[in-house]
Amino acid sequence: DAKTTQPPSMDCAEGRAANLPCNHSTISGNEYVYWYRQIHSQGPQYIIHGLKNNETNEMASLIITEDRKSSTLILPHATLRDTAVYYCIGTGTASKLTFGTGTRLQVTL
Amino acid sequence: GAVVSQHPSWVICKSGTSVKIECRSLDFQATTMFWYRQFPKQSLMLMATSNEGSKATYEQGVEKDKFLINHASLTLSTLTVTSAHPEDSSFYICSAISGANTEAFFGQGTRLTVV
Repeated sequence: DAKTTQPPSMDCAEGRAANLPCNHSTISGNEYVYWYRQIHSQGPQYIIHGLKNNETNEMASLIITEDRKSSTLILPHATLRDTAVYYCIGTGTASKLTFGTGTRLQVTL
Repeated sequence: GAVVSQHPSWVICKSGTSVKIECRSLDFQATTMFWYRQFPKQSLMLMATSNEGSKATYEQGVEKDKFLINHASLTLSTLTVTSAHPEDSSFYICSAISGANTEAFFGQGTRLTVV
């Protein structure tokens, strides 16, 4: 898996967009960028993944830079329930995932 | 998304005893399941990869005789922590993939406390 770097923590006001960055400068051409999140004392939850193009689903948007060295996960309207640790993973296989330390997102009123 | 269920959600056991944790894929057939361990304030660490009908593959440093994994069917994998010690207290999480391998689905985790 590619090495990823994320800020350890971020705050976001409820209702605002949360933009979570991830650096993956050594990602190889066949490795996807996956995002998972883990709410306290629960198992990780899949959010979104992408290879080159930007992706959007009902949970979030994923913006990948053209050189693929970094990406941003966007939660368009953060709620208190989005408070969690967010993991960015660069991998060629979705199955055997290597989790880093992630970003602890705190959504506040 | 697909559902993966773990049982029990939490368990307390005495030192020296064994405890079994089940991981079930409820609405799909899981060709491969993975077991992770997570200590407080740390990230998930992969312990082993479990393929249906074959022996599990363990990550470096994980004792296969202590953490017994059985993947007897396409919907069930079990992790047995044998001769548990207080240092085995942790949050154990499984994930499962189908043959399509687009994303891994995780169970809700099992919190093991050894006293």
